[in-house]
Amino acid sequence: SQKIEQNSEALNIQEGKTATLTCNYTNYSPAYLQWYRQDPGRGPVFLLLIRENEKEKRKERLKVTFDTTLKQSLFHITASQPADSATYLCASSRGSQGNLIFGKGTKLSVKP
Amino acid sequence: DAGVIQSPRHEVTEMGQEVTLRCKPISGHNSLFWYRQTMMRGLELLIYFNNNVPIDDSGMPEDRFSAKMPNASFSTLKIQPSEPRDSAVYFCASSSVLSSGNTIYFGEGSWLTVV
Repeated sequence: SQKIEQNSEALNIQEGKTATLTCNYTNYSPAYLQWYRQDPGRGPVFLLLIRENEKEKRKERLKVTFDTTLKQSLFHITASQPADSATYLCASSRGSQGNLIFGKGTKLSVKP
Repeated sequence: DAGVIQSPRHEVTEMGQEVTLRCKPISGHNSLFWYRQTMMRGLELLIYFNNNVPIDDSGMPEDRFSAKMPNASFSTLKIQPSEPRDSAVYFCASSSVLSSGNTIYFGEGSWLTVV
């Protein structure tokens, strides 16, 4: 079955360092991958989208890569800040439909 | 923009009772999604509407769950009868065909506890 997995449940890093989160997919080839941020008690909020023909996408301190050979997307936050602490979810569409399936998320904690 | 509006934000109910969760999508969005989030299973898609028509309900756990979208600005998710294992956060989300890559916009969720 089609799966999207985020293998790290939690990641703790020091302020100023780069956080790298991993998302892997199996048994399908998504046309794009999305990354969302979720704060406690809130709904997920869209951050970035990367298409299969794009190797890399950037937005301010955020960078996403898409490696179709490794079937993997990496999400980087450079110069991390305590305010970046949240759960980050990756998502992609099943086939041609618009509905998204989500990974379970990685909880990032940035310590001052 | 008001965003996706869900009600109630919190509900505590007794096992066996009927629960109705409500959602108002973003105006102009033509797709609506109901997700359930738990620690064990993460975010699971329950059902997906396009232009008020249910397209994929394969995620609805069982017959106790039903969803309707009588018009473009309102949807309900009903659980009858509710069970303790239904305790979760239920998110409604919407998107527009014009959204790049089907980006979806979530509401703040309805926190359901069944005791």
